[in-house]
Amino acid sequence: DTEVTQTPKHLVMGMTNKKSLKCEQHMGHRAMYWYKQKAKKPPELMFVYSYEKLSINESVPSRFSPECPNSSLLNLHLHALQPEDSALYLCASSHGRDLNYEQYFGPGTRLTVT
Amino acid sequence: GQSLEQPSEVTAVEGAIVQINCTYQTSGFYGLSWYQQHDGGAPTFLSYNALDGLEETGRFSSFLSRSDSYGYLLLQELQMKDSASYFCAVLSNSNSGYALNFGKGTSLLVTP
Repeated sequence: DTEVTQTPKHLVMGMTNKKSLKCEQHMGHRAMYWYKQKAKKPPELMFVYSYEKLSINESVPSRFSPECPNSSLLNLHLHALQPEDSALYLCASSHGRDLNYEQYFGPGTRLTVT
Repeated sequence: GQSLEQPSEVTAVEGAIVQINCTYQTSGFYGLSWYQQHDGGAPTFLSYNALDGLEETGRFSSFLSRSDSYGYLLLQELQMKDSASYFCAVLSNSNSGYALNFGKGTSLLVTP
């Protein structure tokens, strides 16, 4: 299994809602990532988990809260988002945190904040 | 800080060869990766160069010159399905560990 899955595929939420994005991989990878991608832009790193521990938080606003319940799952909890947070949210994984030049990306969740 | 430069758009004819260049400025450089992303799809890994020289994988090749802070992706025998965005990404190591920093991407259009 070389697949990273993400749910939901699409999400529309109001600025007062609370929602969660889910990511799963069964490749035995020990590093997992959240990226944000705006249209026609590159992926921007948000968070990195290594062995289920948060190792990088790229100054992301607190309205985004990551969680790594186990080595296969990664969640992104959303609360009080702004319209400018509308984007494609990509999850990725790699064998390890070091030399992570080959990352496997999920199909993403397209988020619209109204 | 880090910076990566690659052309924003390239157009080429089916069956032709196209080269997408990438120049970078970074500290703690380890290597250069290339990713492909079709519209509405996920980025997929194409290649990685840590040492100077050419790496070939089928129709795709990638080159790195560390002394020139320069690399390129070469696509041969272009097919319509190669129309996509191509990102170079620098792997570097800092106090917070290894991180992949993506360039702005090159949109490749393959025409009949």
